Amino acid sequence: SAVISQKPSRDICQRGTSLTIQCQVDSQVTMMFWYRQQPGQSLTLIATANQGSEATYESGFVIDKFPISRPNLTFSTLTVSNMSPEDSSIYLCSVGQSSGSTGELFFGEGSRLTVL
Amino acid sequence: QKEVEQDPGPLSVPEGAIVSLNCTYSNSAFQYFMWYRQYSRKGPELLMYTYSSGNKEDGRFTAQVDKSSKYISLFIRDSQPSDSATYLCAMSGFTGGFKTIFGAGTRLFVKA
Repeated sequence: SAVISQKPSRDICQRGTSLTIQCQVDSQVTMMFWYRQQPGQSLTLIATANQGSEATYESGFVIDKFPISRPNLTFSTLTVSNMSPEDSSIYLCSVGQSSGSTGELFFGEGSRLTVL
Repeated sequence: QKEVEQDPGPLSVPEGAIVSLNCTYSNSAFQYFMWYRQYSRKGPELLMYTYSSGNKEDGRFTAQVDKSSKYISLFIRDSQPSDSATYLCAMSGFTGGFKTIFGAGTRLFVKA
């Protein structure tokens, strides 16, 4: 399984500011995803980060709010823009099997954001 | 109706007990079924992975899938305090693209 490093691990942010979360994988992976885990709730897929092209967003998530970069097969960033307290959550980077997605996912430790 | 239903618990058991965790789902296209374990302030880690119906055993853990009932289970034998965590079921299949859907997670406490 891949080793996934995320930073920051946690941060406290002011309303209206933006924060970029970085995800570094120790091997090249095809499938990379960003999830949100709100307190007491399930993991919700924000978007699939596509290398060399625009990310694919799930219903309810838009590029202006959550811009994503994927410059190569080992790195991605997620920006949470113009934050509000409702954005307080854990954001998780995840990678799938390099041979194609059969559902097995591996996760980073997560970035815990608190918006005041 | 949510695609995946999972009782959030919490579930508290004494050390050594057999634990049964369950999920139901509604989408018959799901073919891959996973259980993840998530310790506090950590990311989820893949615990068990099964394809289609049947059982899979790995040490103290057994995963069962009943596609006819759209019901999956995870059994933990001889539970240990170190098993205290949140357990998330997850499933995927070709539903216009492979996407993994997670249950809400069940919090488990194993008391010494």
